Amino acid sequence: RKEVEQDPGPFNVPEGATVAFNCTYSNSASQSFFWYRQDCRKEPKLLMSVYSSGNEDGRFTAQLNRASQYISLLIRDSKLSDSATYLCVVGRGGRRALTFGSGTRLQVQP
Amino acid sequence: GAGVSQSPSNKVTEKGKDVELRCDPISGHTALYWYRQRLGQGLEFLIYFQGNSAPDKSGLPSDRFSAERTGESVSTLTIQRTQQEDSAVYLCASSLTAQETQYFGPGTRLLVL
Repeated sequence: RKEVEQDPGPFNVPEGATVAFNCTYSNSASQSFFWYRQDCRKEPKLLMSVYSSGNEDGRFTAQLNRASQYISLLIRDSKLSDSATYLCVVGRGGRRALTFGSGTRLQVQP
Repeated sequence: GAGVSQSPSNKVTEKGKDVELRCDPISGHTALYWYRQRLGQGLEFLIYFQGNSAPDKSGLPSDRFSAERTGESVSTLTIQRTQQEDSAVYLCASSLTAQETQYFGPGTRLLVL
């Protein structure tokens, strides 16, 4: 089983739609959680960190469920510019490197 | 400030040749990572440097791959006797410490003919 699993998609949604992605992680000792965004043929960039209490940044809301070991990302009022691959990232703490999921592809259509 | 830089941005080589890819991390970042991303695929972890600790080489796919880092600065990834399946984008990232946000460079696109 992969350490971080994501539905690869693609998720095809119309502009203005609300879309949600989930990600599951296998190691219950994981301590830090992030969502990154990767545009086509570009490098990944941090979208937002995920905190235990959940956090929101404009149209983006991230949630963490430690009991079920999953992280979610909700995008409201989708824009064409939201089309990208969204990478779920998990850290186990200490000196270990972060683990990246394979990503979920979102295509927002006009 | 300056971000992570990588060179070259593109590299075309012939099968069997050696290539060297360079990464300049953000100044002050103790952690540096190399990833490989094949077309349409996710990130594949290769190697990770943290300060003066022994690097985590667990992701290197074969002994043709090696990497070095000078102190907490420049890193080079070397691929010896390149094969066509080595064709990919090689991404470097750095972070202040291991568990913090990773900042990626633009990558080196390697094509092995």
